[in-house]
Amino acid sequence: ETGVTQSPTHLIKTRGQQVTLRCSSQSGHNTVSWYQQALGQGPQFIFQYYREEENGRGNFPPRFSGLQFPNYSSELNVNALELDDSALYLCASSLDGVGAEYFGPGTRLTVL
Amino acid sequence: GENVEQHPSTLSVQEGDSAVIKCTYSDSASNYFPWYKQELGKRPQLIIDIRSNVGEKKDQRIAVTLNKTAKHFSLHITETQPEDSAVYFCAASTTSGTYKYIFGTGTRLKVLA
Repeated sequence: ETGVTQSPTHLIKTRGQQVTLRCSSQSGHNTVSWYQQALGQGPQFIFQYYREEENGRGNFPPRFSGLQFPNYSSELNVNALELDDSALYLCASSLDGVGAEYFGPGTRLTVL
Repeated sequence: GENVEQHPSTLSVQEGDSAVIKCTYSDSASNYFPWYKQELGKRPQLIIDIRSNVGEKKDQRIAVTLNKTAKHFSLHITETQPEDSAVYFCAASTTSGTYKYIFGTGTRLKVLA
């Protein structure tokens, strides 16, 4: 069984730039959720993708967008980066979007 | 909006003692309640979960209880060990209608040897 993987591990961008983060789901899972975790905080739900469609969204602006591909991998895109976007971005996969989610190792994004 | 409150924010216990972490949720449609353990610099790891049709679930030294009426659920760790030291997060999710998944603010547990 292959676990959830994310790339890149670390990323440094400047304010106003755009970034794309990638996630491969655990084998057998068809649903991917994305979270933002600021230092010392709990993960904040950004959105979930199920069968290539957005299936739910947290309180994040439209400059946070995503995609899911036929192989269930997913991308998180953030446009017009702001300093407050600096955080650990986690993806998690599950089967059919119900129940247990398993997290990837995260991408640490720093916006300067 | 919906939220999950988690208490305490920090908890120190002696090795061998029990630890209890409590969460309260606001969305009555929530139907799934996982608990995650996150060690420093690592990903959150699912340690136990419970669904809304169950009142209690146990897995070795870890147990979770759910009171749907009070919208309250708790994590119980017995016979704590130093390796239990980590940050613990509760979460509540609803899979009816639009999917939502809300985490608590975390509890830093220190088990003192």
